[in-house]
Amino acid sequence: QKEVEQNSGPLSVPEGAIASLNCTYSDRGSQSFFWYRQYSGKSPELIMFIYSNGDKEDGRFTAQLNKASQYVSLLIRDSQPSDSATYLCAVNIAGGGNKLTFGTGTQLKVEL
Amino acid sequence: DAGVIQSPRHEVTEMGQEVTLRCKPISGHDYLFWYRQTMMRGLELLIYFNNNVPIDDSGMPEDRFSAKMPNASFSTLKIQPSEPRDSAVYFCASSLSGVLSYGYTFGSGTRLTVV
Repeated sequence: QKEVEQNSGPLSVPEGAIASLNCTYSDRGSQSFFWYRQYSGKSPELIMFIYSNGDKEDGRFTAQLNKASQYVSLLIRDSQPSDSATYLCAVNIAGGGNKLTFGTGTQLKVEL
Repeated sequence: DAGVIQSPRHEVTEMGQEVTLRCKPISGHDYLFWYRQTMMRGLELLIYFNNNVPIDDSGMPEDRFSAKMPNASFSTLKIQPSEPRDSAVYFCASSLSGVLSYGYTFGSGTRLTVV
């Protein structure tokens, strides 16, 4: 079992819709969770982080964490074509120091 | 701040040659990470440093790979000898100690092609 798993996609949504991206992790002691966006040919950039169970909102983005079920999700409201990218979930594994373990990413396509 | 700076952006080399990738972290950041990204395996952590000291090199694939951080503003990742399976994008990232909430800042990456 991979430590961090994501559906590779592509996930296609129409412009203006809500995109829902999911991530599961295997280590119950995981403490912090991150979402990165990576455009083709570019480096990953941090969108959001979440530590506590529940929802965290930042503009059009909402991160959701459920530690009991070991999943974290990212909702993108009012999706725009500029949101088309690969979204990487990253987890700080308990006892892993400051290192992050990344999933392989979900490709999102927002269609006009 | 100029961000994390990596060089070269692209490197094409022949199998068996030595390759050196370079990274300058953000000033003041005391953690530095080297990742490798491929389509099949995604982002894999190779090694990371704290205050110039290697903390975890368990991700280094084999003895052909080595990394150094001689000072707070410079790190290298060396592959000797290089092999075609080393072809990937290599990212350097830096972060502040104890401030994991800010995540990492990645450099632009080095695309390595070994032919």
